[in-house]
Amino acid sequence: EVQLLESGGGLVQPGGSLRLSCAASGFTFSTYAMSWVRQAPGKRLEWLSSITESATNTYYEGSVKGRFTIFRDDSKSTLHLQMNSLRPDDTAVYYCATDRDWRLEHWGQGTLVTVSS
Amino acid sequence: IQMTQSPSSLSSSEGDRVTITCRASQSISTFLNWYQQKPGSAPKLLIYGASYLQTGVPSRFSGSGSGTDFTLTISSLQPEDFAIYHCQQSYTTPYTFGQGTRLEIK
Repeated sequence: EVQLLESGGGLVQPGGSLRLSCAASGFTFSTYAMSWVRQAPGKRLEWLSSITESATNTYYEGSVKGRFTIFRDDSKSTLHLQMNSLRPDDTAVYYCATDRDWRLEHWGQGTLVTVSS
Repeated sequence: IQMTQSPSSLSSSEGDRVTITCRASQSISTFLNWYQQKPGSAPKLLIYGASYLQTGVPSRFSGSGSGTDFTLTISSLQPEDFAIYHCQQSYTTPYTFGQGTRLEIK
């Protein structure tokens, strides 16, 4: 059974940093591209970033480019999102998802990030 | 690419046939996915490639369309189908989602 478990969310002050992790199991992690998606309260889902197999390529949504970095540790089947220069409008539930064959097939349960002073 | 769903909310009864529409701001071929989301839970993939049913999803769900106009149809609403439905284009990054359609019990 595919499982994705996010962690690392919490309360952070504006301008602060946070690193999210997504522990994967039940599939061969290294052969999958992965994505991060967030959902702010009352807002639509927002794709943030993707990383291909072997981390060959990374992609970012415009509002997080230069502030967020996606990376992966295939030896630990873990995906990460390093978030810097956080702003109040980054407050959201953050999900990781498998990204293969142009679809986000499996999702984690999400981790809440709150940016507030 | 902007994705626009209609309606934004919909009230229907068990057993009804329901159609939700998603329109892309430019052609995306059939790179269109539909997700179902229940309160407090992650989205769940229902339909991919505009019309392919994800494994394990009941056959009362179907999708159609290509280019810029797509539909999700539920042939006979069941109690567990009351949720929010999202469309998403995977034609190009940044992947983008519709604003969601809230399906409520009448």
